Amino acid sequence: DGGITQSPKYLFRKEGQNVTLSCEQNLNHDAMYWYRQDPGQGLRLIYYSQIVNDFQKGDIAEGYSVSREKKESFPLTVTSAQKNPTAFYLCASSIEAALGYTFGSGTRLTVV
Amino acid sequence: AQKVTQAQTEISVVEKEDVTLDCVYETRDTTYYLFWYKQPPSGELVFLIRRNSFDEQNEISGRYSWNFQKSTSSFNFTITASQVVDSAVYFCALSEAPNTGNQFYFGTGTSLTVIP
Repeated sequence: DGGITQSPKYLFRKEGQNVTLSCEQNLNHDAMYWYRQDPGQGLRLIYYSQIVNDFQKGDIAEGYSVSREKKESFPLTVTSAQKNPTAFYLCASSIEAALGYTFGSGTRLTVV
Repeated sequence: AQKVTQAQTEISVVEKEDVTLDCVYETRDTTYYLFWYKQPPSGELVFLIRRNSFDEQNEISGRYSWNFQKSTSSFNFTITASQVVDSAVYFCALSEAPNTGNQFYFGTGTSLTVIP
């Protein structure tokens, strides 16, 4: 079945550590996105990529980094520079935004 | 300015009641697309509906219906005879065209609780 796989589902990080969240899709979608969701809030765009080897900052890119070496993969690294990393992270992909996004099941990151 | 406004933060209804979730959007484009997504407790956003700006016909899918009114820039979602499984956070979203590739504009979501 086609879809988006995010791993791990739960992730714990010590302060000062970098962690990488995985996002893989087999939908052959060109565009991929990372969103952050905080309790009771909407989705905020971190980074997006429309094509391999290219990505753009979203609204809250500070403290995050991404790569897009393969069409299928768009990993997100939460660096130690991100002051409040505890959140729910959602990855999405689309052929074209006007057609809608397909979302992964999310990764819940907690700083301990 | 918020492009998509969901003024209702939380709604609670008793099972079998009808409930309407409001969505108001803002755009200057003549071509745009509106969406509703459901986010159950598991976290994944599930696509419910997509509407383009040229199609103002209301749509019904089972217990779900959507009312699109360009005159009031609204795209409201009604659940008839609500069930406990409808408990979730619901997001309204807007995509403008031509699309720069980066943007869905999401509302802040409405958390619906259906009480048995």
